[in-house]
Amino acid sequence: QVQLVQSGAEVKKPGASVNVSCKASGFTFTNHYITWVRQAPGQGLEWMGWISPYNGNTYYLQNLQGRITMTTDTSTSTAYMELRSLRSDDTALYFCARYTKVTDLFDIWGQGTMVIVSS
Amino acid sequence: DIQMTQSPSSLSASVGDRVTIACRASQAISRFLNWYQQKPGKAPKVLIYGATTLQSGVPSRFSGSGSGTDFTLTINSLQPEDFATYYCQQSFSTPRTFGQGTKVEIK
Repeated sequence: QVQLVQSGAEVKKPGASVNVSCKASGFTFTNHYITWVRQAPGQGLEWMGWISPYNGNTYYLQNLQGRITMTTDTSTSTAYMELRSLRSDDTALYFCARYTKVTDLFDIWGQGTMVIVSS
Repeated sequence: DIQMTQSPSSLSASVGDRVTIACRASQAISRFLNWYQQKPGKAPKVLIYGATTLQSGVPSRFSGSGSGTDFTLTINSLQPEDFATYYCQQSFSTPRTFGQGTKVEIK
């Protein structure tokens, strides 16, 4: 079964860091980019960037550069997204998704990880 | 960055209605346009890619059209399970960008 399973909800204080994991199964991990998308409460979808598990190449949204790092562990088919210096406006539901180049599409999504930033 | 603008932001419709959602790109994106459906607290689900191609398993009452800057998602004969928020997303360039969403509510 093709799926992405994300880690559980997190509550962090402002200024802290969060690391969200996304474990892939049912497909060849290195054949697809993994992308991250977030959704603040009641808001739309914001694409954050992506990573190639094949070679580690990344692309980050400009306004997140310096605070975000995406990595992968090909031995466990797991992608990670670390966001540092958290602010209240980073409170959101964070999704990982598989990017399939043939269709140019985010076709398989994780269930989402809620990150709450609050003092 | 390419800005995606959807209209309307929300609409009310009845079961059986035909619903049309528009999406406009700030520059020409050929047919590099995808549509997703999202229900509260759930991950988005792919409906259409390449502006017009129905994703496998998606009911045929969903259809997409358009190219360049103007695109449309149409739902023929709206069903109870179709009440959700719909997003367009351009795949022409990075950063990938989404429209702000259109919420389809029950009248």
